[in-house]
Amino acid sequence: ILNVEQSPQSLHVQEGDSTNFTCSFPSSNFYALHWYRWETAKSPEALFVMTLNGDEKKKGRISATLNTKEGYSYLYIKGSQPEDSATYLCAYNAGNNRKLIWGLGTSLAVNP
Amino acid sequence: NAGVTQTPKFRILKIGQSMTLQCAQDMNHNYMYWYRQDPGMGLKLIYYSVGAGITDKGEVPNGYNVSRSTTEDFPLRLELAAPSQTSVYFCASSYIRLAGSAGDTQYFGPGTRLTVL
Repeated sequence: ILNVEQSPQSLHVQEGDSTNFTCSFPSSNFYALHWYRWETAKSPEALFVMTLNGDEKKKGRISATLNTKEGYSYLYIKGSQPEDSATYLCAYNAGNNRKLIWGLGTSLAVNP
Repeated sequence: NAGVTQTPKFRILKIGQSMTLQCAQDMNHNYMYWYRQDPGMGLKLIYYSVGAGITDKGEVPNGYNVSRSTTEDFPLRLELAAPSQTSVYFCASSYIRLAGSAGDTQYFGPGTRLTVL
């Protein structure tokens, strides 16, 4: 069984703080790493897909990095805003398996 | 495009009843998935389909059935509802290109909240 682990489980920050979370995954047979944003009462929405070691992706104030050799990815949020409050999920593709293995997510609450 | 749609949004079933959760996508995606999400458990794959007429089991298929007669529709059937099937169900789809392509984003429907009493 392949495990994807995310830390921390939850995070409370003040508006304007920058923050980051970690996603750990098996480093062998890597294919792709996905980040999703999941707001309460909504459905998950894709943020990034990363496939190459050293990949960096950015969307506005949110960015992500990937280290496939050691099996981790970081998600960064610069200058957190209350609308960033959500659960951030990562998911892992092994080999060419199209099924995603999901982490439990990091729940972020940004206080105004 | 409507994207991925699911009906109903909410449903309460009695133990032993059956129902079908509907899922449709209008993005011409070949892959479709059914997940359930339980508190503290993350998303678990129930079934998936790689194209019309082809389905396969995920991690937690027991108690469910699926069919994929068209590219657009992927219904999930519960034959004998049990309290353990109380959950939020998400349908998702993705377009899988040929081997060698980059990872493939899944697009999710709004979910169906099912309670079995």
